[in-house]
Amino acid sequence: DAGITQSPRHKVTETGTPVTLRCHQTENHRYMYWYRQDPGHGLRLIHYSYGVKDTDKGEVSDGYSVSRSKTEDFLLTLESATSSQTSVYFCAISESGSGGVNEQFFGPGTRLTVL
Amino acid sequence: AQSVSQHNHHVILSEAASLELGCNYSYGGTVNLFWYVQYPGQHLQLLLKYFSGDPLVKGIKGFEAEFIKSKFSFNLRKPSVQWSDTAEYFCAVNARYGGATNKLIFGTGTLLAVQP
Repeated sequence: DAGITQSPRHKVTETGTPVTLRCHQTENHRYMYWYRQDPGHGLRLIHYSYGVKDTDKGEVSDGYSVSRSKTEDFLLTLESATSSQTSVYFCAISESGSGGVNEQFFGPGTRLTVL
Repeated sequence: AQSVSQHNHHVILSEAASLELGCNYSYGGTVNLFWYVQYPGQHLQLLLKYFSGDPLVKGIKGFEAEFIKSKFSFNLRKPSVQWSDTAEYFCAVNARYGGATNKLIFGTGTLLAVQP
């Protein structure tokens, strides 16, 4: 398995509180991603990073922000959590391959419940 | 916008039955295609990928997929499923606009239950 860890693995929080999820990789891959997984929706991209301090929005970025100050860490912040953000969050990493795009490797996930 | 459709949301098979899961995408240009599997309580793992060349791709655990460009399809197959194949399967597409975006668009997944 690729060296990807996520913390915390489980979190229960209340509406309106800030929450930060951490993704840490030991593979030195350039690209990092945050997805959320919800029944009936598959995986949806929240934000991604293509280098230190270089980030961009995905398809469901509202209510989320990210930061990447080091190659190995990618943080996802919910500024003010809402119940609609209850989900399982996956971090992924990838590196450009000879075909331009390479596979993504996924972390173990964080289950977040917002009450 | 690109999209990926997996028409089978829930499939139930008996052991030794053959499997085919459908995946269609909407994009007319060059694509890279992936199938991922998620076993219960686990993260996504790559089953197989197609970048170019032979449109019949073989992956791990006896899975294969065929890229049919004219049909915008990348269906996943396995001749004989096992109980351990019970999992959720996701098709994903990366559309290349003359260069890599490194972003994948995922389908909504197909939940496969194999009965012993």
